[in-house]
Amino acid sequence: ETGVTQTPRHLVMGMTNKKSLKCEQHLGHNAMYWYKQSAKKPLELMFVYSLEERVENNSVPSRFSPECPNSSHLFLHLHTLQPEDSALYLCASSQDRSHSWLFFGSGTQLSVL
Amino acid sequence: KQEVTQIPAALSVPEGENLVLNCSFTDSAIYNLQWFRQDPGKGLTSLLLIQSSQREQTSGRLNASLDKSSGRSTLYIAASQPGDSATYLCAVRMDSSYKLIFGSGTRLLVRP
Repeated sequence: ETGVTQTPRHLVMGMTNKKSLKCEQHLGHNAMYWYKQSAKKPLELMFVYSLEERVENNSVPSRFSPECPNSSHLFLHLHTLQPEDSALYLCASSQDRSHSWLFFGSGTQLSVL
Repeated sequence: KQEVTQIPAALSVPEGENLVLNCSFTDSAIYNLQWFRQDPGKGLTSLLLIQSSQREQTSGRLNASLDKSSGRSTLYIAASQPGDSATYLCAVRMDSSYKLIFGSGTRLLVRP
């Protein structure tokens, strides 16, 4: 399998649940990202990891907790979410920070009830 | 604060037409600019990337131009096809940071 793979594709959870989103990249890239896409709003950067170290955190609520165990895998742990957190969560990767293209996964469509 | 605007928000054209999508940004000190395509409910597919030192990039029927001084980029699609129907997003990177700032996109419909 090639590219950036995200699982699950769809997720419905209650506000008291704990769940995790998974992302895996097969491109040999050094940086991985979580983006949030809400209806009628531009994509918002949530977290960036470079070589497994978090390098950017865009003031995201603590109910979202990222984890990057190695350069190929990225997780987003979710707990005590709110209905307004319902959105498409996109994972992306790039070779480095400056000149390189950003490659996206297909996303996880999250609904919080 | 950098702001990225895409106009129009939606566009409907008959098949075969050439069309131009617009992207403007308020701070001209960008590092590069990237155009993406997004199909409904899916992730983004990278189309073209223009470095700040470049004026344009071409890939097949797509041509993207960049005018930093005026804060504008255009995506030209030649001989449009129904398969081109999607939302097109532009994003700018400031300096050498990881952060891309996205526009809200233009939703394109190419009618058969």
